[in-house]
Amino acid sequence: DVVLTQTPVSLSVTLGDQASISCRSSQSLEYSDGYTYLEWYLQKPGQSPQLLIYGVSNRFSGVPDRFIGSGSGTDFTLKISRVEPEDLGVYYCFQATHDPYTFGAGTKLELK
Amino acid sequence: QVQLKESGPGLVQPSQTLSLTCTVSGFSLTSYNVHWVRQPPGKGLEWMGVIWSGGNTDYNSALKPRLSISRDTSKSQVFLTMNSLQTEDTGIYYCNRRAQDYDGYWSYWYFDFWGPGTMVTVSS
Repeated sequence: DVVLTQTPVSLSVTLGDQASISCRSSQSLEYSDGYTYLEWYLQKPGQSPQLLIYGVSNRFSGVPDRFIGSGSGTDFTLKISRVEPEDLGVYYCFQATHDPYTFGAGTKLELK
Repeated sequence: QVQLKESGPGLVQPSQTLSLTCTVSGFSLTSYNVHWVRQPPGKGLEWMGVIWSGGNTDYNSALKPRLSISRDTSKSQVFLTMNSLQTEDTGIYYCNRRAQDYDGYWSYWYFDFWGPGTMVTVSS
């Protein structure tokens, strides 16, 4: 199974800071059609996960432009510029290139 | 509007069978894929399996011997059945919708709607 390793496990930030989360895959996530099935989800406390980024770098409808996804192959990054209170929670990367689909273990974004 | 809602027994005895229902509205099960994801208390997310819009299924290989996903399109319901439950199966079970978008070149896929989840406790 593909293992997604997220770092750091937790991230303490001050509001307005930039945050960066890494997601490294044990195998390339580029599918045979050239597409990379790498997504980012945020789970706020007591809520279901919500989609932020799909296809590595595409922001879902309504997601602010301070969320930026990047990367290729096995290395991916989610950057959040100017962290706001509603950004706090646990971030998960997810891959659907290889069966079974897998999630990273999560990165908890909290206030310093 | 699009909604998904999980329902189930809440408490299941060890070695027994879990049966969950995901009732959807606002879309057709013959047009969208529905997945199940679970989350042990205080832990991360685990993909369990999918029923494709055409009715075929795929499962996480770790759960495949115990897991079955089916549906009743006339009732807009997806069913999860998992047998031989153990305490480590305790957690929140989510169903979600995987949608496709197409920009003329790429087909994009993502989980755009999730149910609120249903808590399952395996205990005697």
